[in-house]
Amino acid sequence: DTEVTQTPKHLVMGMTNKKSLKCEQHMGHRAMYWYKQKAKKPPELMFVYSYEKLSINESVPSRFSPECPNSSLLNLHLHALQPEDSALYLCASSQGRPGGAYGYTFGSGTRLTVV
Amino acid sequence: GQQVMQIPQYQHVQEGEDFTTYCNSSTTLSNIQWYKQRPGGHPVFLIQLVKSGEVKKQKRLTFQFGEAKKNSSLHITATQTTDVGTYFCVNTGTASKLTFGTGTRLQVTL
Repeated sequence: DTEVTQTPKHLVMGMTNKKSLKCEQHMGHRAMYWYKQKAKKPPELMFVYSYEKLSINESVPSRFSPECPNSSLLNLHLHALQPEDSALYLCASSQGRPGGAYGYTFGSGTRLTVV
Repeated sequence: GQQVMQIPQYQHVQEGEDFTTYCNSSTTLSNIQWYKQRPGGHPVFLIQLVKSGEVKKQKRLTFQFGEAKKNSSLHITATQTTDVGTYFCVNTGTASKLTFGTGTRLQVTL
């Protein structure tokens, strides 16, 4: 299995809703990432997990809450989002520690619309 | 913070023409990775460059890392419609910053 699987593929949520994005990989990668990508812009790093521990939080608002239950799973819990949070949310994983010698494998993303 | 700029932002070529995107940094880059993102898709890893002056080839794609490790380039020979997408360079190698370049969007027409 050489894939990163993200669910759901599309999500529409209201500003008062609570939802979660899920990411799963079975490649044995120990670094996992959440990125946010707005249209026609590069992905922006949100969070980095290394060996199931949060190692980087790029000053992301607390309405985004990451969780890494085990080495294969990464969640992003969403609460009280704003319309400007609408974007493509990408999960990625890589071997070893973050910033190492390996390429990242990205999931196909969750396209989130906040109404 | 460190910014990784890519030029051009957009290029439209006819199939068969060559294409080059340049990645420039104001500070020394650690390692450089290149990714391709098709329209509506997700970034796909192409290659990593580590050494100063390194050159790597993948079929019609040639990747270079500058001698001072402050720039990199991706050259595509004889473009095809399958090359359409946005090409990103990414500065890796440090745990603190994993920075995508601004990207170059390539359009190829027959």
